[in-house]
Amino acid sequence: KQEVTQIPAALSVPEGENLVLNCSFTDSAIYNLQWFRQDPGKGLTSLLLIQSSQREQTSGRLNASLDKSSGRSTLYIAASQPGDSATYLCAVRKVNMRFGAGTRLTVKP
Amino acid sequence: DVKVTQSSRYLVKRTGEKVFLECVQDMDHENMFWYRQDPGLGLRLIYFSYDVKMKEKGDIPEGYSVSREKKERFSLILESASTNQTSMYLCASSSGDAGRPQHFGDGTRLSIL
Repeated sequence: KQEVTQIPAALSVPEGENLVLNCSFTDSAIYNLQWFRQDPGKGLTSLLLIQSSQREQTSGRLNASLDKSSGRSTLYIAASQPGDSATYLCAVRKVNMRFGAGTRLTVKP
Repeated sequence: DVKVTQSSRYLVKRTGEKVFLECVQDMDHENMFWYRQDPGLGLRLIYFSYDVKMKEKGDIPEGYSVSREKKERFSLILESASTNQTSMYLCASSSGDAGRPQHFGDGTRLSIL
């Protein structure tokens, strides 16, 4: 059964820092990997989707990489802002999606 | 933009009641999903549907059923609500291609008293 792990569980950084969130998964036979953002009490907002044949995707200050063979993905956030504070979830899709427990990010002004 | 709308943000029901959670999407997506999210357990798939009148069990279907009579609407039914079904329920949809992203609604926070 696919297991998805996100480290760290929580992260607090000062505004302006560049940061990396990590996601690992046990079964490398995936269709794609998706990164989401979740604000407290809200649903999930899709940030980036990386297909299994791709190595990375970029959107604005966000860059996600995928190393399928090693079962790892990273989400890089450049020049962090207080508005980036949220929980970030990664999910891998083979048949169904499997989610990590998330990293709770706090960016302090 | 894809819009996935869940009918209620907050819902309080009593043990033993039959509860309906409704989800509507406006992008003609073939696939729709119901998840529940609990602290420490993350998101878990309850049921999903790849077409009208079609349903498949996810990882935790016990105590739930679903209905998909129209393509845009996917309903989650708690036949006899129990306190362990208190949770955040999230609906999602995606187009038919397995490589397409899932889009989520804002969630329904359900409390069973």
